Amino acid sequence: AQSVSQHNHHVILSEAASLELGCNYSYGGTVNLFWYVQYPGQHLQLLLKYFSGDPLVKGIKGFEAEFIKSKFSFNLRKPSVQWSDTAEYFCAVKDNYGQNFVFGPGTRLSVLP
Amino acid sequence: DTGVSQDPRHKITKRGQNVTFRCDPISEHNRLYWYRQTLGQGPEFLTYFQNEAQLEKSRLLSDRFSAERPKGSFSTLEIQRTEQGDSAMYLCASSLWGTGLSGNTIYFGEGSWLTVV
Repeated sequence: AQSVSQHNHHVILSEAASLELGCNYSYGGTVNLFWYVQYPGQHLQLLLKYFSGDPLVKGIKGFEAEFIKSKFSFNLRKPSVQWSDTAEYFCAVKDNYGQNFVFGPGTRLSVLP
Repeated sequence: DTGVSQDPRHKITKRGQNVTFRCDPISEHNRLYWYRQTLGQGPEFLTYFQNEAQLEKSRLLSDRFSAERPKGSFSTLEIQRTEQGDSAMYLCASSLWGTGLSGNTIYFGEGSWLTVV
């Protein structure tokens, strides 16, 4: 069965620091990859997605992610975080055979002002 | 607002009682998903519908759980004889399948918190 792992449970950064959150998945075939964000008290929102093409995808609010097929990874990055980026971040994968989306356990990001 | 809506947002129930949650997907979205999320965990897949047909159910979905989408629009998730382990956030999501790659994106509602005491 497909699985998704996220390297860090809780990341604490100061404003303006750079961010990289790790995500690895287990399936070796064609996949669709997603990052969702959940701000405190809000619902899960799509941050960015990768289907095909350029492995570097850009999302909302200055986030980007790079798909590295050989490493089964889809790490999320942001060059300079803001206090408002404090949230929980979830990586998700959907393969072309299964119809459901498999989520990682999430990484809680705390940005100190 | 035309996003996914869920009702109720919060439910506290006594162990052994039945509860029902409702989800209204984004208009015209033909796929509807139910997920469960507990504190510190990512969403776990429960089941999904394409139109009114329930196409897949997770092994997490015990016999006490039943979901319906009778007219292919809104859906209900019922939990019978609730147990304390059922306490979680129940998330609904929808997508428009069959329109190319964009159908591979799901959009979530705000969730329904269940507390079983």
